[in-house]
Amino acid sequence: GAGVSQTPSNKVTEKGKYVELRCDPISGHTALYWYRQSLGQGPEFLIYFQGTGAADDSGLPNDRFFAVRPEGSVSTLKIQRTERGDSAVYLCASSLRPSYNEQFFGPGTRLTVL
Amino acid sequence: DQQVKQNSPSLSVQEGRISILNCDYTNSMFDYFLWYKKYPAEGPTFLISISSIKDKNEDGRFTVFLNKSAKHLSLHIVPSQPGDSAVYFCAASEYGGSQGNLIFGKGTKLSVKP
Repeated sequence: GAGVSQTPSNKVTEKGKYVELRCDPISGHTALYWYRQSLGQGPEFLIYFQGTGAADDSGLPNDRFFAVRPEGSVSTLKIQRTERGDSAVYLCASSLRPSYNEQFFGPGTRLTVL
Repeated sequence: DQQVKQNSPSLSVQEGRISILNCDYTNSMFDYFLWYKKYPAEGPTFLISISSIKDKNEDGRFTVFLNKSAKHLSLHIVPSQPGDSAVYFCAASEYGGSQGNLIFGKGTKLSVKP
């Protein structure tokens, strides 16, 4: 079956612009996670959804970052007024139930802010 | 202040020998630990986990050891194979294996030479 997909695979934008990153989880997976991986670092947790609701958004760095999952499947990570420091690979993962052991990760979206 | 530390950025091992990857943590509230493997241009893949109530967990060629008093865990791969060459991330949570916020180390790049 299809795995977790993320679009676009690469996104180049200018400082100050707005971007949206999309994650299509594995069908039927109720838990969805967003992470950010900067160069030379490990992934950094951003937000976790259980169904449509954000169960834990404690990792979002500031109010420029927002994520939605309106129908409990596809999720969009939205970044307003992008800054150069937002450049990173944004990873999405999903699992059938809340469980790190059962997470499947997508390939990530590489965001470059010029 | 890094709560999960992987002090060796890289490790090179001969095929057939043992690979030992180390991880130290500072937060005594962590109660669940995981190892992930990541190939270039792909998302991480869950490898093995351990709860803080155990000191060892084994899965095939992979064994994770946890020393809570030393706040140290290690991943042993025996025997190492060239296909094991990847970046390995250690991660920890203080919410068990099912909640959102997961703290990752910076990773160790393992090279297994034929």
